[in-house]
Order: sequence, then C-alpha cells, then structure tokens
Amino acid sequence: NAGVTQTPKFQVLKTGQSMTLQCAQDMNHEYMSWYRQDPGMGLRLIHYSVGAGITDQGEVPNGYNVSRSTTEDFPLRLLSAAPSQTSVYFCASSYNGADTQYFGPGTRLTVL
Amino acid sequence: AQTVTQSQPEMSVQEAETVTLSCTYDTSESDYYLFWYKQPPSRQMILVIRQEAYKQQNATENRFSVNFQKAAKSFSLKISDSQLGDAAMYFCAYGGTASKLTFGTGTRLQVTL
Repeated sequence: NAGVTQTPKFQVLKTGQSMTLQCAQDMNHEYMSWYRQDPGMGLRLIHYSVGAGITDQGEVPNGYNVSRSTTEDFPLRLLSAAPSQTSVYFCASSYNGADTQYFGPGTRLTVL
Repeated sequence: AQTVTQSQPEMSVQEAETVTLSCTYDTSESDYYLFWYKQPPSRQMILVIRQEAYKQQNATENRFSVNFQKAAKSFSLKISDSQLGDAAMYFCAYGGTASKLTFGTGTRLQVTL
C-alpha cells in the first residue's frame, strides 16, 4: 500500500493562475479531506468527502473547488490563486467517520 | 463549533525524562474522538495516539499515554523516557462527525541531551 499520495510536493504559482493539487489513496477509504497549514496555526479543513460523488465545505472553502468521481482520488482545484493561499496543503483519508485519518506528505504551495 | 486550545507553544525536555503536553477543547457533542499527531521536520503528520470519548480508560501506546478528563474537556499527552526522535511539533485534534478534524495550534517539543 502506498497509503495517501499527493502531487506535486512543491509548486510556485503567479497570482491569478489556476492549478490542481492531486490526492490519491489505495486503502479503499470512503472519507477524504483537504487541510491547509499556515505558520503558527493548526491544520484547517478546506473541503471533505464522505464518498464518491459527495463533497462538502469545511472551515475555509473560499477559493477552492473539489470533486470526487472515484473512491481513490480527491483533487483540490485553485480557481484563481492568491497570495493568501500560500500554505502547505495536506490530504487525508479514513475508512469511516469515526476512524483515524491518515495524511499524505503535503504540498508546499507559494503564490507570488 | 468545536475549538481546541494548546496553551504551550514550546516545551523542552531532557533525554530520558518525562514531559506532558496540554490540550483543552470545547464541544457540545457527547460522542467524539481525540488525537495527538506528531509532525517532524519532514512535515509528515504521524498519529501518536487516539482516544474515544466514550471510553473511560486512558489510551496508551508504548511510551505515550494520555490523561483524558471528559468533564474538564482536557486531553494531555505524556511522553515517558523521552528520546531525541521525539523532537517535533505535536498537534492535538478533535474529531466529531464525518471524520472532520479540528486542530490546536501545536506545541513544539525540544529534546535536549
């Protein structure tokens, strides 16, 4: 099992550009989530999914879009990047709502 | 909304000694889960320990144990026989429904010789 994988590991964007952060898991987990981590703060939930075709907003969803067409993949789209989106992004998955979440290695995103 | 508070931005412990990291939370739910995650410089989030709120017994994983006080909404982590490899950021997290986690701001643990 590769667990939770994220690509890319690092990315630099210019303001206004769009991009997609990829997340995949091979553990057949139903639940998947995206978090962002900013200096001095804990991780904050952006969007989450409780199964294929079902997504919902977390604490800080503005400027991000998600979809879940398969159980394995949960991409995060930045529609028009802003410097405030400079952060480290983590994807996580769990078997169900009560299970432990397992995290990917993270993507460090810089928006200039 | 749930909140998680870690009031110790930094802690230091000598190798082989014991250290306790504090965490308090606020919730109106009766069924939930609490976690401690470790984040070393590699930035990988690693589960240290998990506690189900309905269990009165404190969770233990080798050198790591928790003191869970449900009425006080307190969830502290005790690390015994500290090792250099324990140096990291430690995050306390609250898990309610749908596996959504709310994190504290973290405690940076230094381990000295």
